[in-house]
Amino acid sequence: DAGVTQTPRHEVAEKGQTIILKCEPVSGHNDLFWYRQTKIQGLELLSYFRSKSLMEDGGAFKDRFKAEMLNSSFSTLKIQPTEPKDSAVYLCASSFGTGGFYEQYFGPGTRLTVL
Amino acid sequence: GDSVTQTEGQVALSEEDFLTIHCNYSASGYPALFWYVQYPGEGPQFLFRASRDKEKGSSRGFEATYDKGTTSFHLRKASVQESDSAVYYCALGATNAYKVIFGKGTHLHVLP
Repeated sequence: DAGVTQTPRHEVAEKGQTIILKCEPVSGHNDLFWYRQTKIQGLELLSYFRSKSLMEDGGAFKDRFKAEMLNSSFSTLKIQPTEPKDSAVYLCASSFGTGGFYEQYFGPGTRLTVL
Repeated sequence: GDSVTQTEGQVALSEEDFLTIHCNYSASGYPALFWYVQYPGEGPQFLFRASRDKEKGSSRGFEATYDKGTTSFHLRKASVQESDSAVYYCALGATNAYKVIFGKGTHLHVLP
């Protein structure tokens, strides 16, 4: 079975640009998560979808970050406009079951650098 | 709120040393407890899970026992290898919530 796929693996953007990150979850998984990973903050949850419905839209991140799940096998994370502080690794993960009991399967991440 | 604390930020060992990475949690009830491992350039990988008191989780020679009395889930391995060098995350999943709370991670360096 294919794991979680993320594209691109690396992205370099100028401040103020719009970037779109893509994720394909494991086939058959019901839950999808977007995280931001930095050395200082660790793993921070950005968005959560349960069976394609948005359950969490980012809290402190919601003003410039927008995640969408167009169908059960594809999700995007748009950052608009980008700022240098957005430089981080963005991880997508999926889970078979609903709830904190189930393990998450992570993609390799997209490393974003904002100049 | 729920939380996970990993005491060590970095651990340096030699091959064949015994490994312990400490993980303590704060949560009500019986949350699921996880260990994940992250290698450079990859996303975290699920190692194993435990969901009830005294349950042992294990995988690839690593193990941890759920201890509700001490609210701990310490990761142990009897003999580490250089290939075990990675970042290890302890995580907690409440049974009535979708979020998984990750610890800050422990960077393990194993010297040949």
